[in-house]
Amino acid sequence: AQKITQTQPGMFVQEKEAVTLDCTYDTSDPSYGLFWYKQPSSGEMIFLIYQGSYDQQNATEGRYSLNFQKARKSANLVISASQLGDSAMYFCAMSVDYNNNDMRFGAGTRLTVKP
Amino acid sequence: DTGVSQDPRHKITKRGQNVTFRCDPISEHNRLYWYRQTLGQGPEFLTYFQNEAQLEKSRLLSDRFSAERPKGSFSTLEIQRTEQGDSAMYLCASSSKTDSGANVLTFGAGSRLTVL
Repeated sequence: AQKITQTQPGMFVQEKEAVTLDCTYDTSDPSYGLFWYKQPSSGEMIFLIYQGSYDQQNATEGRYSLNFQKARKSANLVISASQLGDSAMYFCAMSVDYNNNDMRFGAGTRLTVKP
Repeated sequence: DTGVSQDPRHKITKRGQNVTFRCDPISEHNRLYWYRQTLGQGPEFLTYFQNEAQLEKSRLLSDRFSAERPKGSFSTLEIQRTEQGDSAMYLCASSSKTDSGANVLTFGAGSRLTVL
């Protein structure tokens, strides 16, 4: 069965610094996708970044990068140059179905950016 | 297109009443999903449509829950005989493929249900 674990309920970071949010996963399927979503207080889930299990390079999207360590089954999100607007809940998610019919989410990490 | 729309945003109801939520996906997306999110947790998958066909349902979706997507456009999620344990945020999402081939879900702002 698939499982996503986020062990950090809350994280603090100083504005303009980098922060790493941890995510580990468990699956026996060799083909899977890993996603990170941001959920601000308004409630809407915002897609940030995607990593496929066969992708050779770590995914990057602007200030977001995904530190994918396949052997360790980890997919940590790195946010560089944190901004006050980055304060939100962050969810790691995984799907082993190519069509993402059953995407599983972790419990989330609440990030607070301090001025 | 303004994204995925959900209505109502908030619903307070008494135990035993029926409630219905509506979701309007992004028009060119043929896949539509319903998730439930309780406080402090990540979203949990409920059900999935491709066009008008409901292709998958979670075990979380008891017989009091029914979802439809009659014309392959908007979808409704009805909860009959609501219970206090149904109190949650109900999220709708629709999906498209990115250039990398990933099937990325675009979520609506959710419908928050409170059952008294």
